[in-house]
Amino acid sequence: GAVVSQHPSWVICKSGTSVKIECRSLDFQATTMFWYRQFPKQSLMLMATSNEGSKATYEQGVEKDKFLINHASLTLSTLTVTSAHPEDSSFYICSAIAGVTDTQYFGPGTRLTVL
Amino acid sequence: QKEVEQDPGPLSVPEGAIVSLNCTYSNSAFQYFMWYRQYSRKGPELLMYTYSSGNKEDGRFTAQVDKSSKYISLFIRDSQPSDSATYLCAIVGVDGKLTFGQGTILTVHP
Repeated sequence: GAVVSQHPSWVICKSGTSVKIECRSLDFQATTMFWYRQFPKQSLMLMATSNEGSKATYEQGVEKDKFLINHASLTLSTLTVTSAHPEDSSFYICSAIAGVTDTQYFGPGTRLTVL
Repeated sequence: QKEVEQDPGPLSVPEGAIVSLNCTYSNSAFQYFMWYRQYSRKGPELLMYTYSSGNKEDGRFTAQVDKSSKYISLFIRDSQPSDSATYLCAIVGVDGKLTFGQGTILTVHP
């Protein structure tokens, strides 16, 4: 149980384009999903917290207009990187929990490369 | 001072060795203590979690928490080459958010 998937697993795009990453909880309903970014040889940095049916809460320093998050259902959250630039190239990982005291289960990550 | 500090390593040990991974934290309000394993280019995989001081065992893994010292450890017994990965400590606050340590890269060589 507690499987979280992400799609795509990797994507290459041109500078200035937008990229959408999907995060799905496959066998449970996720009241909350989290989006992280991880640069090479660094730890995960929380970008935003997403609750189903409400606006995402962004961490300090994360541009909400650049990283659009939609949590349309209890099993799906999407992260759209708008007008991507090479410095946005990173490993994006989502996680999901069923309740506030539950552990976070992580997706396999999406590697984004912006040329 | 970072909220969670983890010995960065890297660690390189022979197969069969006992591995000790350590983190300290600064906020006594933290509630849950987790250890994740992350293979290269993969998402973190939950290994163990605990919420109280003391030891918790699961197979070859033992998680240890000392709340009075704000210190957590993960011990791996009889380490195997397949244990080679990055190990991340993570601590859950009252808001449910995870704060990660920097990660320790472990290599177990045959």
